[in-house]
Amino acid sequence: RKEVEQDPGPFNVPEGATVAFNCTYSNSASQSFFWYRQDCRKEPKLLMSVYSSGNEDGRFTAQLNRASQYISLLIRDSKLSDSATYLCVVTSTGANNLFFGTGTRLTVIP
Amino acid sequence: DAGVIQSPRHEVTEMGQEVTLRCKPISGHDYLFWYRQTMMRGLELLIYFNNNVPIDDSGMPEDRFSAKMPNASFSTLKIQPSEPRDSAVYFCASSKTSYGYTFGSGTRLTVV
Repeated sequence: RKEVEQDPGPFNVPEGATVAFNCTYSNSASQSFFWYRQDCRKEPKLLMSVYSSGNEDGRFTAQLNRASQYISLLIRDSKLSDSATYLCVVTSTGANNLFFGTGTRLTVIP
Repeated sequence: DAGVIQSPRHEVTEMGQEVTLRCKPISGHDYLFWYRQTMMRGLELLIYFNNNVPIDDSGMPEDRFSAKMPNASFSTLKIQPSEPRDSAVYFCASSKTSYGYTFGSGTRLTVV
């Protein structure tokens, strides 16, 4: 079983829509959680960390459900510039390497 | 800071040839990671170093792959001999902690 699993999509949504991505992780000892964004033919870049209490950064909201071992990312009022692949990432206690999901591709349509 | 610098950006080589990928981490970062990305498997960790010492190489696919970090500012990933199934984008990343990964722009390798 993979460490991190995501729905690959693609998600095609109109501008202004709200879209949500989920991912699940297999290791209950996982401690740190992140969402990364990767544009086509570019490197992944950190979008936001995910905290147990949930956190928000502008139009982006990340949540963690430890009991169910899933992480979510909500994007409100989608912009064309949000089109990218979103990668769910976890790391375990004492580990310094990140485990990446295969990513969910989002296309925002005018 | 110039960020993580990888070279070359693109590499096309024939099967059986040796390929060397290079990475210069961000100054002051003490962790360095090599990842491989394919459409089918996504991002896979190959190996990572802490203070120039290899810590976990369990992701290295086979003996054809080797990685070195002779000093804090340079690392190489070598494939010898290369095979078509090695075609992928290879990313190097560095960090001071697991929270601060910065990726290089990647090397797109094509083995024909």
